[in-house]
Amino acid sequence: EDKVVQSPLSLVVHEGDTVTLNCSYEVTNFRSLLWYKQEKKAPTFLFMLTSSGIEKKSGRLSSILDKKELSSILNITATQTGDSAIYLCAGQNSGGSNYKLTFGKGTLLTVNP
Amino acid sequence: DTAVSQTPKYLVTQMGNDKSIKCEQNLGHDTMYWYKQDSKKFLKIMFSYNNKELIINETVPNRFSPKSPDKAHLNLHINSLELGDSAVYFCASSQGRTSGPYEQYFGPGTRLTVT
Repeated sequence: EDKVVQSPLSLVVHEGDTVTLNCSYEVTNFRSLLWYKQEKKAPTFLFMLTSSGIEKKSGRLSSILDKKELSSILNITATQTGDSAIYLCAGQNSGGSNYKLTFGKGTLLTVNP
Repeated sequence: DTAVSQTPKYLVTQMGNDKSIKCEQNLGHDTMYWYKQDSKKFLKIMFSYNNKELIINETVPNRFSPKSPDKAHLNLHINSLELGDSAVYFCASSQGRTSGPYEQYFGPGTRLTVT
């Protein structure tokens, strides 16, 4: 069965700190690794990574995939209170042409002022 | 200009009842999904439809029946509701089946409470 493990499960930091969230995956027919941010409602899409070693960046957030180590990290620099959320990592597989996401349990990030 | 919408947002009902949740997407996507998020915030896929065809059906009790009248809509009907069905149900959509992979976009969720 496919599995995605995130660490840490929760993290409390102060504004301005830099954080690194980890994700490891065991996904058959792996196609991509996705990161989502979930505040009170729906998960919102952050990144999709398909190639190893190529960093994707959006403002203070960046992410990279390591296919050799079956892992990914999400970095957030100069954190703000608005970054407080659950960050979800998901491995996407392709069984034929079905793209299924297997989610980790998430990392709860709390940024204190 | 909501991309993926669900109704209702909240649903409180008694055990044994039958209820439906509706989902619509205006992104022109071909594939739609239902996910269940339990009280521990663990998000797990239930079903996936592509152009009205069921393509993923995880181990879900057959009390749950998805229906896709067209590629922009995917509804979820639940029979004989049980306490353990209490959760947040998310609908999502993505582009087509071929030449992927594609990111999935989520609706706002429906919080179902079974009493």
